[in-house]
Amino acid sequence: GQQVMQIPQYQHVQEGEDFTTYCNSSTTLSNIQWYKQRPGGHPVFLIQLVKSGEVKKQKRLTFQFGEAKKNSSLHITATQTTDVGTYFCAGPAEYGNKLVFGAGTILRVKS
Amino acid sequence: DGGITQSPKYLFRKEGQNVTLSCEQNLNHDAMYWYRQDPGQGLRLIYYSQIVNDFQKGDIAEGYSVSREKKESFPLTVTSAQKNPTAFYLCASSLDRGSIYEQYFGPGTRLTVT
Repeated sequence: GQQVMQIPQYQHVQEGEDFTTYCNSSTTLSNIQWYKQRPGGHPVFLIQLVKSGEVKKQKRLTFQFGEAKKNSSLHITATQTTDVGTYFCAGPAEYGNKLVFGAGTILRVKS
Repeated sequence: DGGITQSPKYLFRKEGQNVTLSCEQNLNHDAMYWYRQDPGQGLRLIYYSQIVNDFQKGDIAEGYSVSREKKESFPLTVTSAQKNPTAFYLCASSLDRGSIYEQYFGPGTRLTVT
């Protein structure tokens, strides 16, 4: 069945270092969404990408959608302790009006 | 103040008991979703509903039941048939056609069954 995979599963960085998480889908996606979940909290929507090759920025966060619309990445420049949490990507399911979530990448930042 | 509320935040039950988790939204969203999250795990879809009086099974519906009698409400019942009910349960809603629109999540209910 349809799968959305994220790597790495876990990353521990020094504050100020960059961080990237990658999302790969087994199927072509019409769009991809990214969510952030702080420790003990709930997922919060960050952004949606729709176009092939699209790049969007939110301050220190850069999101990319691959040309084939099967992969995406989230890059954080100069991480801060406020970036700590789990980052999920999600794409539309092949069948049914629902999202398929990746397993998430847990980011820890050492200050 | 619009949003999704889930209650209670923490819930403790004895094995063999059914328990109902509440989810209410005042965002006027058509679609609502229930997810289960286990420690260090992603989100697994239990049930979802696109419209009142209609709902569909997600990936892990066994041992759970839902109802959608009102647009604002989508309660989830964890039955005694659910083998490992202890988890973090998240409710979400979206404007329409959840695969296209962003999902708004409630604060979640942490259920512990002993």
